[in-house]
Amino acid sequence: SAVISQKPSRDICQRGTSLTIQCQVDSQVTMMFWYRQQPGQSLTLIATANQGSEATYESGFVIDKFPISRPNLTFSTLTVSNMSPEDSSIYLCSARLDTATDTQYFGPGTRLTVL
Amino acid sequence: DQQVKQNSPSLSVQEGRISILNCDYTNSMFDYFLWYKKYPAEGPTFLISISSIKDKNEDGRFTVFLNKSAKHLSLHIVPSQPGDSAVYFCAASGNAGGTSYGKLTFGQGTILTVHP
Repeated sequence: SAVISQKPSRDICQRGTSLTIQCQVDSQVTMMFWYRQQPGQSLTLIATANQGSEATYESGFVIDKFPISRPNLTFSTLTVSNMSPEDSSIYLCSARLDTATDTQYFGPGTRLTVL
Repeated sequence: DQQVKQNSPSLSVQEGRISILNCDYTNSMFDYFLWYKKYPAEGPTFLISISSIKDKNEDGRFTVFLNKSAKHLSLHIVPSQPGDSAVYFCAASGNAGGTSYGKLTFGQGTILTVHP
C-alpha cells in the first residue's frame, strides 16, 4: 500500500468561505477519488479525479460547489466552496494503486466544521 | 436507493470469540467486494477483498464469504481482539480492475465492540 496524506487534518470555517483540501500520494496513481462522510453516515463518493482529464462528479455534486484539481499523478485538491453548516463532514481522498483491482486506499481525512 | 446494506448498526463480541459482520447488496453488476475498518479520526483501512469468481477469501484472522445467489457477503474475524473494535464498512464495485471505472459503493457501517 502507499502512504496517502491530507492537509489540513481539521478546520473550523465560517459560513460563506471556501476551503481547499490537499491530498498527496507517495507513488504515482492514475485514479484518485474524493468522498464525504457526514456525521453518522456512510462514505459517499463526490467525484473521481483522473490526471489529465476533468473530474467526474456523482449525482448531487457539482463542480461549482466542489472544484477538483489533479495537476499530476501524485496530487489532488478538493475545494469546498461557499460553505454552509450542512457541509460539515469528514472529507476523504483515496487512490487506486493497482489497476488490476478496484481496491482503494484512503487518506486520514479532513474534519471540516462550518459555523 | 441503498445498493449496499449493512443491517446491523452494532455488534458486541467477547474477546477470543468469532465476530461475524454481514452485508447485502442489490446490484447484480457488482463483482468485487471489499471490507474496510475505520477507527475514529482516521481514514478507512483496507482489510480484505473478494472477487465474484470466488466464494471465500482468507487472510490471517479475517475471512470473507460471498454468496452470489443470495447477494450476501460476510466478514468473519477469529479470534476477535479488543483492538478490532472499530467501524467496519463493506463496499462493492462493478468491475474487478483493468480499465474499469473503479467506483466503490459503501454500506452504512457496523460498529464492532470486542470486550476483554
